[in-house]
Amino acid sequence: TQLLEQSPQFLSIQEGENLTVYCNSSSVFSSLQWYRQEPGEGPVLLVTVVTGGEVKKLKRLTFQFGDARKDSSLHITAAQPGDTGLYLCAGSPYAGGTSYGKLTFGQGTILTVHP
Amino acid sequence: DTEVTQTPKHLVMGMTNKKSLKCEQHMGHRAMYWYKQKAKKPPELMFVYSYEKLSINESVPSRFSPECPNSSLLNLHLHALQPEDSALYLCASSQEWPSPPYNEQFFGPGTRLTVL
Repeated sequence: TQLLEQSPQFLSIQEGENLTVYCNSSSVFSSLQWYRQEPGEGPVLLVTVVTGGEVKKLKRLTFQFGDARKDSSLHITAAQPGDTGLYLCAGSPYAGGTSYGKLTFGQGTILTVHP
Repeated sequence: DTEVTQTPKHLVMGMTNKKSLKCEQHMGHRAMYWYKQKAKKPPELMFVYSYEKLSINESVPSRFSPECPNSSLLNLHLHALQPEDSALYLCASSQEWPSPPYNEQFFGPGTRLTVL
């Protein structure tokens, strides 16, 4: 079974601070997605990273895929209250095995940004 | 159109009721999914449909019965549910299943189900 360990589980910061969320695994993934979910809503896809070492930027959000495709990070610069939500990483296992085609989710990071 | 829609938004039902959740997508995706999500936890996969055929059933109790009438629609029929089945039920779609390497799934807003 492929696992994704996401940390920290909770993050409470002030507006304007920077933060980083990590997803780590001992397994290799063919791709990794990051989602943001607000209370009572479905997860919204933020980004997909596919290539080892890949860095993608989405305004104040920077996503990185580890060289070995086993880990990923999400960095938010100058956090705003609108960034508040549940952040989920999800990895796609390689072919073979019962997990193929399914998303392996991290446990999520609950981010609260205070004004 | 990159939207997955779900109805109803909220549903309250008794343990003897029969109800259905509906999901629709118009992105031309050929794979659709049902997930169950408890508060502050990641979604848990329940079912996967590929080209309108059930491809994965994650050992879900028979009181949950999925149906895919066509490539755009996905239903989840509910009968004799238990209070522990109360959760947010999410529908998702993707271009194909499996669809390496991207495997991008797009989620609907969910149905908040409460079983009394």
